[in-house]
Amino acid sequence: EAGVAQSPRYKIIEKRQSVAFWCNPISGHATLYWYQQILGQGPKLLIQFQNNGVVDDSQLPKDRFSAERLKGVDSTLKIQPAKLEDSAVYLCASSLQGAWNTEAFFGQGTRLTVV
Amino acid sequence: QKEVEQDPGPLSVPEGAIVSLNCTYSNSAFQYFMWYRQYSRKGPELLMYTYSSGNKEDGRFTAQVDKSSKYISLFIRDSQPSDSATYLCAMSTNTGNQFYFGTGTSLTVIP
Repeated sequence: EAGVAQSPRYKIIEKRQSVAFWCNPISGHATLYWYQQILGQGPKLLIQFQNNGVVDDSQLPKDRFSAERLKGVDSTLKIQPAKLEDSAVYLCASSLQGAWNTEAFFGQGTRLTVV
Repeated sequence: QKEVEQDPGPLSVPEGAIVSLNCTYSNSAFQYFMWYRQYSRKGPELLMYTYSSGNKEDGRFTAQVDKSSKYISLFIRDSQPSDSATYLCAMSTNTGNQFYFGTGTSLTVIP
């Protein structure tokens, strides 16, 4: 079974530039999550999709972050404009259905450095 | 108060030691408890999960849940250098909308 694919693995940008990350979840997984993991901290949920609908985006800084999952499969997360404090690993995860009695499978993440 | 609290460590032990990793939580609705292991520069991978209270054993790993104290633990017996990683606890409710993660405990097992 193929895992969660993310690209790129690494990205370095200057502040105020824009950046986009891509995620392809495990086939058949209805739920897709984007997490932000700052060095030394646990993953923080940014947005959760159920198929192509948003379930929870309460912690997404909507003035600069956006995400979409148009066809209910792969997803993109965009930051525009980036700030220094956005430097983190952005993890995509997927699960069969929600978070109850199931496992979230994570991708390897995209490490973003904003300089 | 954070929903899930976890001592970040770092924790350093000699090979063969018993390791105890712990999390506390505040939401009594949590019923599904997980431990993830995250190697450097990798995404987290599920190590163990338990439902409600009780113990679960898998090889050298034992997960315990004490719902009355809102406290979960992961024990690693006969720790190996390959166990060196960050261990994240995570939990969810039976409405199951999202996972709540601890901050992770960094573990180093010294040969």
